[in-house]
Amino acid sequence: ETGVTQSPTHLIKTRGQQVTLRCSSQSGHNTVSWYQQALGQGPQFIFQYYREEENGRGNFPPRFSGLQFPNYSSELNVNALELDDSALYLCASSPQAGQEGYVKNIQYFGAGTRLSVL
Amino acid sequence: GDSVTQMEGPVTLSEEACLTINCTYTATGYPSLFWYVQYPGEGLQLLLKATKADDKGSNKGFEATYRKETTSFHLEKGSVQVSDSAVYFCALSDPAGTALIFGKGTTLSVSS
Repeated sequence: ETGVTQSPTHLIKTRGQQVTLRCSSQSGHNTVSWYQQALGQGPQFIFQYYREEENGRGNFPPRFSGLQFPNYSSELNVNALELDDSALYLCASSPQAGQEGYVKNIQYFGAGTRLSVL
Repeated sequence: GDSVTQMEGPVTLSEEACLTINCTYTATGYPSLFWYVQYPGEGLQLLLKATKADDKGSNKGFEATYRKETTSFHLEKGSVQVSDSAVYFCALSDPAGTALIFGKGTTLSVSS
């Protein structure tokens, strides 16, 4: 069974540019969440997608947006990049109730995309 | 709002020493509780979980018990190995059941 995969692994952008990060959820997981982890900090919740709809959002500005596709994969888009957007971006997927590995609120993480904004 | 507080690191131990990493939480309702581990340059791996009071999560020799009366979920291991060197995060589920709320992480360094 394939776990959560993210691409690219590393990315360098300049301030003001736009970036798209991609995530493939673990097989059959229909919920995807995105987190930002600044250096030396714990991950901070950006938003969650369930059945292609945003299902919750953290304290991030609208220039952070996302999509989920019918195959449950997801994208995180960040517009007008700022220096403080430099971080590790983590994607996590959650199984459906009744699916193997289901525990309420459990999330399985990918290896992340490290974004550097210069 | 809901939050997690972890003991500050780094924690430095010799191989085969006992480990305790303290985690306390503030939450409305009855969240699920988790410990995740992050090895250098990698993402988060789920280490163990507990979904209700008095549940004990365990994995790879690590244990943590959901203590509602003390709002704690301390991580313990009886004998650490060099390979356990990593950053450990305590987390809880938010009231809506969507986000995980993480502590700041505790760095563990084990020497042989």
